[in-house]
Amino acid sequence: TQLLEQSPQFLSIQEGENLTVYCNSSSVFSSLQWYRQEPGEGPVLLVTVVTGGEVKKLKRLTFQFGDARKDSSLHITAAQPGDTGLYLCQDEGGADGLTFGKGTHLIIQP
Amino acid sequence: EPEVTQTPSHQVTQMGQEVILRCVPISNHLYFYWYRQILGQKVEFLVSFYNNEISEKSEIFDDQFSVERPDGSNFTLKIRSTKLEDSAMYFCASSRDYSTDTQYFGPGTRLTVL
Repeated sequence: TQLLEQSPQFLSIQEGENLTVYCNSSSVFSSLQWYRQEPGEGPVLLVTVVTGGEVKKLKRLTFQFGDARKDSSLHITAAQPGDTGLYLCQDEGGADGLTFGKGTHLIIQP
Repeated sequence: EPEVTQTPSHQVTQMGQEVILRCVPISNHLYFYWYRQILGQKVEFLVSFYNNEISEKSEIFDDQFSVERPDGSNFTLKIRSTKLEDSAMYFCASSRDYSTDTQYFGPGTRLTVL
């Protein structure tokens, strides 16, 4: 059974600070997706990474996929209150189907 | 911009009753999914559906669950005899392709079983 571990579980920082959250898998990712979810809403896709070592940027968000395709990080520069949410990683091809991590709850305080 | 829609937004039912949750995927998408998220827990995969049949299903998706695409637009999840532990947010998603394609999620249906 594939396990996706996300860390930290909770993170609360001040507006303007930088942060990094992580997603690690017990097995190689087929393809990795990062989502942001707000309370009472469905996950919204941020990015898909497929190739080991891949780096993708989305404005202030930088996504990095490990060379071995078993880990990924999301770095946010100059965090804003609008970045608050639950950040989820997902493997589309996990052995048990489409597997999500438990997520990182991020709070950006003004 | 096209989006996945779900109805109802909130469903309250008595234990043992049947419920049908409805989803309208994005029109040119071919793959459809159901997930659930129990309050405070992670999003869990239930089932994927393509070409009018189930592609994959998780251990959660037992005989109490079924999915159907009754017409060209709707995709439904039926729970035959609801249990208290079925209370959760149920999300529908769709994608054009399966392997590495983007999944677009609906806003969810909150199911409360009393």
